[in-house]
Amino acid sequence: SQQGEEDPQALSIQEGENATMNCSYKTSINNLQWYRQNSGRGLVHLILIRSNEREKHSGRLRVTLDTSKKSSSLLITASRAADTASYFCARAPQGGSEKLVFGKGTKLTVNP
Amino acid sequence: DAGITQSPRHKVTETGTPVTLRCHQTENHRYMYWYRQDPGHGLRLIHYSYGVKDTDKGEVSDGYSVSRSKTEDFLLTLESATSSQTSVYFCAISNPAGRGGILETQYFGPGTRLLVL
Repeated sequence: SQQGEEDPQALSIQEGENATMNCSYKTSINNLQWYRQNSGRGLVHLILIRSNEREKHSGRLRVTLDTSKKSSSLLITASRAADTASYFCARAPQGGSEKLVFGKGTKLTVNP
Repeated sequence: DAGITQSPRHKVTETGTPVTLRCHQTENHRYMYWYRQDPGHGLRLIHYSYGVKDTDKGEVSDGYSVSRSKTEDFLLTLESATSSQTSVYFCAISNPAGRGGILETQYFGPGTRLLVL
């Protein structure tokens, strides 16, 4: 499969704790993106990190990229019940592909 | 979901009937995509369009056809619906960035829940 692989598949934490989700892939990329999907809704873009970047921040989100290991991590700090959602990584393959490749997602539950 | 609508939002149909789903955008984005989402499979690309009347297949295109006669509309047709096509269908739009058309952010519609009995 060309899909990226997220782990864990499911994660349950308490409010206030940090949540870390990982994404691995097999082929070179131009960029890697993270999306959130609330139950019954469409995906929403969170953050994009380019292949020449190692870390990006957006509010309580921190994304890292290690191209040598072909992996990325999404860290949500000080989680809230409203962060409960599924999180997907999607990679833009190197070479000008017109298609993003999505992983199967991590289902995050933040308990109040 | 701003700027992207999908219709219908819910549909129940019978096996063997044709079904057409519509995606409409007001963002003037060049690329439009149709995905299906099923438990255990994540998001899988059905077809996409890179311009008016320019379309190409994704990884699960069998049993589906698409048309794009104008920038803002992308139609997905199930010629003869089967129970295996019961799914949630998402439309997405995007504009490539820079030389080589490097993909940037995709924006998703709210989805269409299709049940084929």
